[in-house]
Amino acid sequence: GAGVSQSPSNKVTEKGKDVELRCDPISGHTALYWYRQSLGQGLEFLIYFQGNSAPDKSGLPSDRFSAERTGGSVSTLTIQRTQQEDSAVYLCASSLGRVMETQYFGPGTRLLVL
Amino acid sequence: SQQGEEDPQALSIQEGENATMNCSYKTSINNLQWYRQNSGRGLVHLILIRSNEREKHSGRLRVTLDTSKKSSSLLITASRAADTASYFCATVIPKAAGNKLTFGGGTRVLVKP
Repeated sequence: GAGVSQSPSNKVTEKGKDVELRCDPISGHTALYWYRQSLGQGLEFLIYFQGNSAPDKSGLPSDRFSAERTGGSVSTLTIQRTQQEDSAVYLCASSLGRVMETQYFGPGTRLLVL
Repeated sequence: SQQGEEDPQALSIQEGENATMNCSYKTSINNLQWYRQNSGRGLVHLILIRSNEREKHSGRLRVTLDTSKKSSSLLITASRAADTASYFCATVIPKAAGNKLTFGGGTRVLVKP
């Protein structure tokens, strides 16, 4: 079956602009995660959605970052007023949501803020 | 902050040799997972070992877990050029958000033909 997909693959934007990154999880997966991978910070957790529960936003680095998940499926990560330090690969993962369940990662969106 | 530290940071071997990398972590865990990443893009899940397991095999991969030392190792036997990638350990901490993964810094492995 289809894996996790993300779009766009690459995004170049100017400092101060807003960007939206999209994630399509594997069908039937109730849990969805966003992670960020940057040179200085490695792989970091950003936000977690599980079913209809309130998301865990504890990893979001600032209030410029927000995410939503519509209909329990597609998720959008929005970064407002982008800064150069936001440049990173943004990875989305999904899982069945059970305890100790494997997470399946998408190919990522490489964001470059000029 | 990262939960895991990986050692070595980089590893260069000849095809056919074994590659061993280690991961140490700081707090108690539910499970530990190893992922592979090619060319800085998506992560591929390799193997999951639960906190009550000591060793697990999958094909040419062997993972050990020592919870008393808070460490794990990944062994790739009979390496191939296609094994060239970065390898990350990731832990799931009890009571963490869902199964939020906390990653180590990764080991870059180069397998020379």
